[in-house]
Amino acid sequence: DAGVIQSPRHEVTEMGQEVTLRCKLISGHNSLFWYRQTMMRGLELLIYFNNNVPIDDSGMPEDRFSAKMPNASFSTLKIQPSEPRDSAVYFCASSLGIGDNTDTQYFGPGTRLTVL
Amino acid sequence: AQKITQTQPGMFVQEKEAVTLDCTYDTSDPSYGLFWYKQPSSGEMIFLIYQGSYDQQNATEGRYSLNFQKARKSANLVISASQLGDSAMYFCAMREGYGNNRLAFGKGNQVVVIP
Repeated sequence: DAGVIQSPRHEVTEMGQEVTLRCKLISGHNSLFWYRQTMMRGLELLIYFNNNVPIDDSGMPEDRFSAKMPNASFSTLKIQPSEPRDSAVYFCASSLGIGDNTDTQYFGPGTRLTVL
Repeated sequence: AQKITQTQPGMFVQEKEAVTLDCTYDTSDPSYGLFWYKQPSSGEMIFLIYQGSYDQQNATEGRYSLNFQKARKSANLVISASQLGDSAMYFCAMREGYGNNRLAFGKGNQVVVIP
């Protein structure tokens, strides 16, 4: 089975531009997580969905960030407008969503975002 | 307060030797799960091993094993017979309770395997 798929793998953009990151879940998984990783702050959970419904978006930095799940297997994370401090690696992860402690999150390869 | 603590400085380990990576955690919930992930220089996060709080035995997966000491709240990862490909950052993470999908991650341990 294919793992979590993310695109693009690398994105370089200029400040003020809109950025859209994409994620395809592992088939059969029902939970979707967006993380951001930086040297300063480590790995931070931005938002997660269960069965297409956003459950916890307390990690979303500000209104410039938005995430959607238009269907059960796909999600987007949008930053509009982007700022240099948004430069980071953004990971998407998915899990079965069974809600117990064995539920393992599997990560995509990440998108390395650079905002100039 | 930090949920997961990984405080070891970067480690150098000789190829074929074993290495132990420390992880301590903080929770008052009797039900929790502990996870270790590997992040090589290429950047991907790779799931290695899981330990449940009610598991009677230490988890093992190939060359990876968990030294789970519940009373001390520690879940150290042991990598036996290190290989050059084991050079990476290693992250410990915890999920608490039922119905909670959030993982709390530690800051990671850097391992470099030398030939």
